[in-house]
Amino acid sequence: SQQGEEDPQALSIQEGENATMNCSYKTSINNLQWYRQNSGRGLVHLILIRSNEREKHSGRLRVTLDTSKKSSSLLITASRAADTASYFCATRIIQGAQKLVFGQGTRLTINP
Amino acid sequence: KAGVTQTPRYLIKTRGQQVTLSCSPISGHRSVSWYQQTPGQGLQFLFEYFSETQRNKGNFPGRFSGRQFSNSRSEMNVSTLELGDSALYLCASSLTQPVYQETQYFGPGTRLLVL
Repeated sequence: SQQGEEDPQALSIQEGENATMNCSYKTSINNLQWYRQNSGRGLVHLILIRSNEREKHSGRLRVTLDTSKKSSSLLITASRAADTASYFCATRIIQGAQKLVFGQGTRLTINP
Repeated sequence: KAGVTQTPRYLIKTRGQQVTLSCSPISGHRSVSWYQQTPGQGLQFLFEYFSETQRNKGNFPGRFSGRQFSNSRSEMNVSTLELGDSALYLCASSLTQPVYQETQYFGPGTRLLVL
């Protein structure tokens, strides 16, 4: 099963509103990363947060990490039509193979 | 710097055939990972190569194999194709090991359709 599970699976908001996506994972992690994918294309790295960090900002993005709850959230403020995409969280687990384990993603639609 | 490139971008094959996909990492990147993306299973890790050595492998059958060349370019091969192999195959490169410290940079993917 997937390490990361994202919620909601789909989100539709108006341009200018904020969008929040959540990610939960099961095992201990080294870091958690968020990626964006536009319509079946390659993934674009957005932000990486390490297990000893609680919050990180990058432009209009804000990521939080709660290792006690094994969860993370991605907030996109002042959304734009160009933010329409699928967003994935990916975890780098400590035990086992050193690989990125992706969640199923949240499909975000920004309506003009 | 040029990004990660993958060739071909689209591919149609029939069951039983084999296919080879190619990935050229960002210049200077020595680690290359491969992922399979399908609507049902999502993004799944296939394998990771560093300095021509396979460092990690996902839970895929032996029909899926790969290699990395001295210039860090990587290929993956799928033999005896099955319908379920239809997917977007993504390659990602990163600068150093241990890879878990680094951001991965993804290519545009190769969309494989098996008929």
